[in-house]
Amino acid sequence: DIQMTQSPSSLSASVGDRVTITCRASQSISNYLNWYQQKPGKAPKLLIYAASSLQSGVPSRFSGSGSGTDFTLTISSLQPEDFATYCCQQSYSTPPTFGGGTKVEIK
Amino acid sequence: QVQLVESGGGLVKPGGSLRLSCAASGFTFSDYYMSWIRQAPGKGLEWVSYISTSYSTIYYADSVRGRFTISRDNAKNSLSLQMYSLRAEDTAVYYCATTNNWGFDYWGQGTLVSVSS
Repeated sequence: DIQMTQSPSSLSASVGDRVTITCRASQSISNYLNWYQQKPGKAPKLLIYAASSLQSGVPSRFSGSGSGTDFTLTISSLQPEDFATYCCQQSYSTPPTFGGGTKVEIK
Repeated sequence: QVQLVESGGGLVKPGGSLRLSCAASGFTFSDYYMSWIRQAPGKGLEWVSYISTSYSTIYYADSVRGRFTISRDNAKNSLSLQMYSLRAEDTAVYYCATTNNWGFDYWGQGTLVSVSS
């Protein structure tokens, strides 16, 4: 199975900050990397697919980059509604696997 | 709009069984692969199983293979997960989700399964 490792596991940031979360795959997954946002008690929401494609309806302050084994999710200017947990997932091979998540908290 | 509604969760004793259902609406259900994904309390997401549009392709996570069975009824726009021989470590919120090469694009609200004596 492909292991997905996210860093950091948590971070504190202020509204307006630029936030970067990284995800590393244990082997090359091309661009089969997706990012999700999850708020407490809610289902995950797909933000980014194919490493850098923005899901319909997702604000443009979210962006993704990377290929192979190293990927990044960036929030260009953190908004109050962005405080949540973010998780990466590879869809390169079965079983699909998720990173452990990054909790973005208010500083 | 796309709606997925899970049901069937509850409290069950170790070794027991439970059947989860997911009712789909707002899209052409028969055009989508479907998955079950779970999240143990305070933990990350774990994919459980998926089924192709025509039932021809089914995969399970190693942790549930041989104990769980996924199925779908395209005529009724429904997805099911039959769970047998439940263990404490199966305790989780179970989500159904539409599935494609680029991840899980629509999710239900989840249903909680608790396995405890």
